[in-house]
Formats: sequence, C-alpha cells, structure tokens
Amino acid sequence: QKEVEQDPGPLSVPEGAIVSLNCTYSNSAFQYFMWYRQYSRKGPELLMYTYSSGNKEDGRFTAQVDKSSKYISLFIRDSQPSDSATYLCAMSVNTPLVFGKGTRLSVIA
Amino acid sequence: GAVVSQHPSRVICKSGTSVKIECRSLDFQATTMFWYRQFPKQSLMLMATSNEGSKATYEQGVEKDKFLINHASLTLSTLTVTSAHPEDSSFYICSAPKSPGEAFFGQGTRLTVV
Repeated sequence: QKEVEQDPGPLSVPEGAIVSLNCTYSNSAFQYFMWYRQYSRKGPELLMYTYSSGNKEDGRFTAQVDKSSKYISLFIRDSQPSDSATYLCAMSVNTPLVFGKGTRLSVIA
Repeated sequence: GAVVSQHPSRVICKSGTSVKIECRSLDFQATTMFWYRQFPKQSLMLMATSNEGSKATYEQGVEKDKFLINHASLTLSTLTVTSAHPEDSSFYICSAPKSPGEAFFGQGTRLTVV
C-alpha cells in the first residue's frame, strides 16, 4: 500500500459545481496536511495548509482532515474554469512532504 | 504567501554540457530545501534534500555525481545537472519549508537536452 493514495482522475465538472477531491493515507504519524494546485508547466501553488484534524476554510476552498479515518478532502465551491488544474495532496510528519499522484480537474464553462 | 524563486524557468542545452538551476527563498530563511523531478502527468519525485552548510541527502537511485547540490546560504540552493543527456530532460522543481510541513515551491525549470 502506498503511503498516500489519490485518484488521478481526470475529473470533469460543469462551471458552478461543487468539487470534492480526496486522499487517503496509511501513516498515522502524519500531522501536516496540504493541498497544492498545479497548472501545466508551473510549480505547485500552496492552497491550504492544515495541522492535525479539523476543517479550514479560505474563500471557495474548504479543507477537511479526518485523522481517525486517515482521510483528507478539499472542496471547491462555485467552481470556475480557472480552477482547471491538477490538485495534489501532500502530508508530512515534519519534512519532507509525501505527495499524492494528483487529480486532474477540468471545469467546463 | 511566501515566495520561492527558481531560475531559469526554461533551458535548452547540448548533450554533455552542465546546467545550473537556482532556488531562492525571497522572504524567509530555509536551512533545508528540496529538489524534485516531475515527468509529464506524474507526481513530484523527491530527488534530494539540500542542507545549508552540509552535504545534500540524496534519495535512492539518484546519482550524486550527476546532480550536484550546493546550499550556499540560508536563502539559496543550486542544482547542477552535470554532463546532461537527453534522458535528463525533465521538469525540475525546488521547494523550501517556511515552517514544519508548510512548503512553498519555485516556478519550476523545464530542462531540454538536445
């Protein structure tokens, strides 16, 4: 079993939809959880950063961490075509980060 | 958010030559930086950990003599691809943690070896 599992997609949704992206992990020692957005041929951009369990909201983005289930989620509300990108989950005990494979998202206008 | 600057963003070089890629943390100090390689439609693969003032730590299977890493200061790490060959063509990305677990990435460098 890989340390971090993430469905690679692709995921295609209409503009305005709520998007749910998820990752599962096996290492119970992970305590830092991140979501990155990566546009083609660009470096990953940090979207959300969460320490331990709980929810965090930033604009249209909500990150959830359920350590008991070893499951993290990123929700995107009112999705826009500009949200089309690859979304990478990442987590760590300290450093370095362990990444999921990334989910390719397309938001269709 | 914190800024990590990577340069150049794109480079084409001839086979057998060396290429240096710079990674700078612009608004925070980083005693550790990370270098990744990314193949098309794949996730990031950690190559090595760059440590300020000491030797880099390389992941299994990464050639130390091929990928030279120097962490000259608390804000600068460099990756030099030596005697580059076409199979070294890839997207190289650096990252620096501002705090435990909170890592910021550079813009990436697309290397093409012809």
